[in-house]
Amino acid sequence: SAVISQKPSRDICQRGTSLTIQCQVDSQVTMMFWYRQQPGQSLTLIATANQGSEATYESGFVIDKFPISRPNLTFSTLTVSNMSPEDSSIYLCSVGTAYEQYFGPGTRLTVT
Amino acid sequence: GESVGLHLPTLSVQEGDNSIINCAYSNSASDYFIWYKQESGKGPQFIIDIRSNMDKRQGQRVTVLLNKTVKHLSLQIAATQPGDSAVYFCAENIFGAAGNKLTFGGGTRVLVKP
Repeated sequence: SAVISQKPSRDICQRGTSLTIQCQVDSQVTMMFWYRQQPGQSLTLIATANQGSEATYESGFVIDKFPISRPNLTFSTLTVSNMSPEDSSIYLCSVGTAYEQYFGPGTRLTVT
Repeated sequence: GESVGLHLPTLSVQEGDNSIINCAYSNSASDYFIWYKQESGKGPQFIIDIRSNMDKRQGQRVTVLLNKTVKHLSLQIAATQPGDSAVYFCAENIFGAAGNKLTFGGGTRVLVKP
């Protein structure tokens, strides 16, 4: 299994600002995933990020709101843009495949 | 749309008893299911998986049962311990925008009473 770290672990942000979340993996991986977990709810896939290609977004998520970078096989960032209180969630990255995924600890975002 | 859901949002169980967590899925084409455990402040952790060509799989203190006829999945935890207190999610593998992806159910919180 891979060891995954995320930065920051938590943040409190003002509405209208943007936050970039980093995901670092201790080994090279092809596929990385970004999820959102709203308070008391389950995980929802935002996008799949493969190195060397544009991220693929799920229905309801758009690149302008959640731009993703994947510069290499061990790192990815997710930006939450023009934040509103509705963006308050835990954001998690994971690596692996659709059959086996390992998750980072998450970034707890609160938008005021 | 297709979804995975759970019957019970919270399960309170006495330490040492067995726990059963249920999950219903709606996509009959799903061929793979996973149970995850999420402790407070952590990301989900893989517990056990099962493919659609099986109806039962056992791990250490855990058993997953799959009933494809009624599209039902369950996780049984034997001799529940305080460390089992967490939220449990089932997930199914379905085809999405970027190919196969995991879709998660709503989650069940398990509280173990000493």
